[in-house]
Amino acid sequence: GAGVSQSPRYKVAKRGQDVALRCDPISGHVSLFWYQQALGQGPEFLTYFQNEAQLDKSGLPSDRFFAERPEGSVSTLKIQRTQQEDSAVYLCASSYGTSGIGEQFFGPGTRLTVL
Amino acid sequence: QQQVKQSPQSLIVQKGGISIINCAYENTAFDYFPWYQQFPGKGPALLIAIRPDVSEKKEGRFTISFNKSAKQFSLHIMDSQPGDSATYFCAASMKDNYGQNFVFGPGTRLSVLP
Repeated sequence: GAGVSQSPRYKVAKRGQDVALRCDPISGHVSLFWYQQALGQGPEFLTYFQNEAQLDKSGLPSDRFFAERPEGSVSTLKIQRTQQEDSAVYLCASSYGTSGIGEQFFGPGTRLTVL
Repeated sequence: QQQVKQSPQSLIVQKGGISIINCAYENTAFDYFPWYQQFPGKGPALLIAIRPDVSEKKEGRFTISFNKSAKQFSLHIMDSQPGDSATYFCAASMKDNYGQNFVFGPGTRLSVLP
């Protein structure tokens, strides 16, 4: 079946622009995670959804970052007034259950470059 | 206390050799330790995982060794192949938690020479 998909795959934004990154998780997966991966680093947690509820947003670096999952499936990560330090790959992952253990299925990521 | 340390940063191994990547953690509440493999332009994919109630888990050419007292775990890739060339991330999380408690190491870039 289809895996996790993300769009766009690449996004170039001018500093100050707003961007929206989309994640389509695997159908039926309850949990959805967003991560930020800087070049040469491991993924760093941004936020977590259980169905439509955003249960943890402690990793969002500033109030310019906002995520939603209104119907418990597709999720959007929005970054307002982008800055150069926002340049990174943004990964979305989903998992079937709600436990902290278990496999997370990752999408290919969106590479954001802020000029 | 949420950090997971990983070494080496990069590793070059000849085809057929053994690749060893080491990780260490501080938070004793972690109880799930997965390894993820990432190819360029792709998202990470689960390779193998272990719970702390066992000291070793083997799946094909991949083995996790776990030392609970030392708070360390390692990935061994036997008979390394050029197709294993990728970045490997160790991670740690808790059964009754999620989100920020799923922590990745900084990664090891493995190159297997033909």
